[in-house]
This record gives sequence, C-alpha cells and structure tokens, in this order.
Amino acid sequence: DVKVTQSSRYLVKRTGEKVFLECVQDMDHENMFWYRQDPGLGLRLIYFSYDVKMKEKGDIPEGYSVSREKKERFSLILESASTNQTSMYLCAAEDGSSYEQYFGPGTRLTVT
Amino acid sequence: EDQVTQSPEALRLQEGESSSLNCSYTVSGLRGLFWYRQDPGKGPEFLFTLYSAGEEKEKERLKATLTKKESFLHITAPKPEDSATYLCAVQGPRGASKIIFGSGTRLSIRP
Repeated sequence: DVKVTQSSRYLVKRTGEKVFLECVQDMDHENMFWYRQDPGLGLRLIYFSYDVKMKEKGDIPEGYSVSREKKERFSLILESASTNQTSMYLCAAEDGSSYEQYFGPGTRLTVT
Repeated sequence: EDQVTQSPEALRLQEGESSSLNCSYTVSGLRGLFWYRQDPGKGPEFLFTLYSAGEEKEKERLKATLTKKESFLHITAPKPEDSATYLCAVQGPRGASKIIFGSGTRLSIRP
C-alpha cells in the first residue's frame, strides 16, 4: 500500500507568517497533489506535480506555491498566511496506471 | 461544465438496514470514477475505481456500480463502523488536472 505522510496534523499560525506544509510518499509515484477541504465546498485542487520540478496550477492556486525537489516529497507554501486559508490541507499521491489517489492524514491549519 | 453531484447529503440508517448512495456525473470522456471513505479529521481512504458502464466492484458490505450517467454505492446490512462520509470523484480525459470530487454523503449507522 502507498503510504503518504504529512508533516503536521495540526498547525496554528499568525496572519502574515510563511507556512510550509510537507508531504512524503513511500512509493515511486510521479503525480502528487495538494487539496484543501472546507465544509460545503468539498475538496478543491490547489496544485499538482507530475514530475520533479514540474508543477501545474489547480482550481485555487492563488496565495499558494509548491516545491518538488525530490520525487517523494511535495511541499505546499503559504507565502503570507491569511485567515481565509484556515482549512484542512490534504496531500495525495496518484498511481499513474490506475489513477487511484492515496491521501495523507491531513493538516488542520488555523490562521489567526 | 463537468460536474459531480452526490445524494443524499446525509443518510441515517439503523444497523442492518441496507441502502444506496448516489453519484451523478457529467464529464466528457470518463477515464475513471472513484469512491472514497473519509472518517472525521482524517484523509480520504480509497475504496473502488470503476472504468466503464456496467462494471461492478465489491468489498465486504459495499458494492459500487456504474452507468453512463451515475454510480451507486450499495451498502448491505451496514454496521456502526460503516459510519463515515463517502466521496465520489471522476477523472476526465485531461487526466490529473480534471479530477472532480463530489461534496460527499455523510452516512450514520445507529446500533
């Protein structure tokens, strides 16, 4: 089974802080994703990466950037956190042959 | 516009009372339809992938079916541990950038 881990389960940051969320997968999957999940809005795609140093914007990339320096690691960066970025952040790795996505446990981020 | 709609939003059943969850979709060139289970405060857990109309998959008390317009997740004789939110997602021909999730069905099973 693919295992996806995220650096923190809970995080509290202040407005304006730079925030790093890290995700690591233990399989050799090329595609990795960052979503945010909010009540009533479901999962929304922020960014995804289909190879090292490659990235594409999802549906809501504003206010976020990403980094993929190694195949197993995909980082989400909030350059200047704002209160509307309070959310549950989910990372996923995708099996390129079946398109099945495997999720990490999530990071509950609160920006005050 | 590509869309995924799940119904009902919430469903409360008695233990042993079978039912079905619905996922209606509109996407040009379906590559795959996925079902996930999500427990509170956790990431979604993969359940099934369906690729073409008429396909069925089973796992314990769950059975997923697919037509050209919708998918059903049938739950037979559910137990309290089946309580969770069930998410449906579709992927169109553009691949990863076209994965669309529904908003989920919150299932609650009373003992």
